[in-house]
Amino acid sequence: DGGITQSPKYLFRKEGQNVTLSCEQNLNHDAMYWYRQDPGQGLRLIYYSQIVNDFQKGDIAEGYSVSREKKESFPLTVTSAQKNPTAFYLCASSFQDPRRQFFGPGTRLTVL
Amino acid sequence: GENVEQHPSTLSVQEGDSAVIKCTYSDSASNYFPWYKQELGKGPQLIIDIRSNVGEKKDQRIAVTLNKTAKHFSLHITETQPEDSAVYFCAAQAAAGKSTFGDGTTLTVKP
Repeated sequence: DGGITQSPKYLFRKEGQNVTLSCEQNLNHDAMYWYRQDPGQGLRLIYYSQIVNDFQKGDIAEGYSVSREKKESFPLTVTSAQKNPTAFYLCASSFQDPRRQFFGPGTRLTVL
Repeated sequence: GENVEQHPSTLSVQEGDSAVIKCTYSDSASNYFPWYKQELGKGPQLIIDIRSNVGEKKDQRIAVTLNKTAKHFSLHITETQPEDSAVYFCAAQAAAGKSTFGDGTTLTVKP
């Protein structure tokens, strides 16, 4: 099956710990994205990558880091510098053109 | 940067009626406008999209219209069904990569 997967679905961490969220796609998409979603709000872009070994900051990159060593993978690290990390995190991927983004099922992160 | 406003935030309709959700954008360079449907606890799913060189696009019961001059675009759902109940998001994208999303509309279709 082709698709985009995120793991784990639920994640609990203690305050002050770094945590890495996984995102994998087998759609042969060039571009990948990370969004954060808070209750009652839209999606806000954290980081995006249009090609391997390159990525750009989105609107809310502070406290997050990413890597893009493989076309299929775009992991997101939520660092201890992120002041309010509890949220629903969504990964997406797309071709450069058409730019339709396909989303994964999301990871709900709770920091205790 | 781009700013996208979406209205209404909640919408309740009777089964079989039509539903309309509107979005406005600020960046005249935006040229791609997707709409997503998100069910509770799941990732958004693309339902329809339109490029700026097209004024209207239709796919069965769903249609999107775009007014570039006024910088607004709308989602139209006809003959609504209970399974259409979800949160709908619009988005605007100027360059490959950066999409700006609206805050979402919670649509409830009453049987």
